[in-house]
Amino acid sequence: NAGVTQTPKFQVLKTGQSMTLQCAQDMNHNSMYWYRQDPGMGLRLIYYSASEGTTDKGEVPNGYNVSRLNKREFSLRLESAAPSQTSVYFCASSEVGQDYGYTFGSGTRLTVV
Amino acid sequence: DQQVKQNSPSLSVQEGRISILNCDYTNSMFDYFLWYKKYPAEGPTFLISISSIKDKNEDGRFTVFLNKSAKHLSLHIVPSQPGDSAVYFCAAGGTSYGKLTFGQGTILTVHP
Repeated sequence: NAGVTQTPKFQVLKTGQSMTLQCAQDMNHNSMYWYRQDPGMGLRLIYYSASEGTTDKGEVPNGYNVSRLNKREFSLRLESAAPSQTSVYFCASSEVGQDYGYTFGSGTRLTVV
Repeated sequence: DQQVKQNSPSLSVQEGRISILNCDYTNSMFDYFLWYKKYPAEGPTFLISISSIKDKNEDGRFTVFLNKSAKHLSLHIVPSQPGDSAVYFCAAGGTSYGKLTFGQGTILTVHP
């Protein structure tokens, strides 16, 4: 099915470890986003990429880096994981003129111990 | 500063009755608004949207109302069904479907 694919679905890290969350979309969208979902906080924007070759910080960028590898792929990297980064991470993509805003991936549940 | 707020963390409704979910926003630059529905272990999926030039948009059992003067929108589900039980997020954006700002979410439970 067309859409947004995130890997992995689950991950447990030790404090200080690094990892990269992968995201790919096959809808030829220009814009891609990374959000985190925490109880009582809703979805908060970490980083976004309005188009290939550009990235910008969102509301909660500290502790994260991103790479827009090409039009399809947008990865999120945690260089030194902290327990405060325990969350569910969602990747999304969109295109100007869509009535439905974003298409989301199914999420990555990350636990940092 | 929470620009989009859903003040009710949860709502419980009987099957067949109306569900009303509320959302308030503070940024007057927002010009389109969306509702997403999220089941456990899945990503949010689009439900319905409305632009600031309208005050109502309807799609089947779902209707979104926008009151720009009050900076308030609501989602009405009539009649509610057990399959509607999910987390509902409202979201707002400005110009050309760029970044969206989401509310905290409301857990809707529809009892048979």
